[in-house]
Amino acid sequence: GAVVSQHPSWVICKSGTSVKIECRSLDFQATTMFWYRQFPKQSLMLMATSNEGSKATYEQGVEKDKFLINHASLTLSTLTVTSAHPEDSSFYICSARDLEAAPYEQYFGPGTRLTVT
Amino acid sequence: AQSVTQPDIHITVSEGASLELRCNYSYGATPYLFWYVQSPGQGLQLLLKYFSGDTLVQGIKGFEAEFKRSQSSFNLRKPSVHWSDAAEYFCAVGAGGGSQGNLIFGKGTKLSVKP
Repeated sequence: GAVVSQHPSWVICKSGTSVKIECRSLDFQATTMFWYRQFPKQSLMLMATSNEGSKATYEQGVEKDKFLINHASLTLSTLTVTSAHPEDSSFYICSARDLEAAPYEQYFGPGTRLTVT
Repeated sequence: AQSVTQPDIHITVSEGASLELRCNYSYGATPYLFWYVQSPGQGLQLLLKYFSGDTLVQGIKGFEAEFKRSQSSFNLRKPSVHWSDAAEYFCAVGAGGGSQGNLIFGKGTKLSVKP
């Protein structure tokens, strides 16, 4: 149980284009989803927290107009990187939690490798 | 503010040897502590967690961790390392409050295993 999937697993896009990453909870209802960014050999940095049906809460320094997050249902959240640039290349990981999860416990997706050329 | 420190960036151990990965946290109250493992290009898998009670917690894959409040530490241990344990290990502490609290991660420790 508690499986989170991400799609695509890797994507290459050209500078200036937008790319959408999907995060799905497969066997539970995700009331809260988190989006992280991980640079090579670095830790995970929280980008934003989203609750189903409401606007995402972005961490300081994260451009909300560039990283659009939508949590339209209890099983799906999307992260859209708009007008991508090479510096947006990174590993993006989502996680999710449900109402029955232990405090702070999150289930992580396998990640999406984004390369902007 | 809560923070997590993993002092060792990279550790190499021989297969069959014991392992201890260090983690120190900064938190005013009783922390919620986690250890995750990440294989290359993969997401994070939960190894174990501590909320309260017995300070020695057992996890998956033969790992255990001990919570020591006096030292603000939550070190991860394994008595005999296998080659498949080579990965990146992250310690994390629950931040904020309530059910929507997020995790703050340490910078990670990369474990290499020599044959």
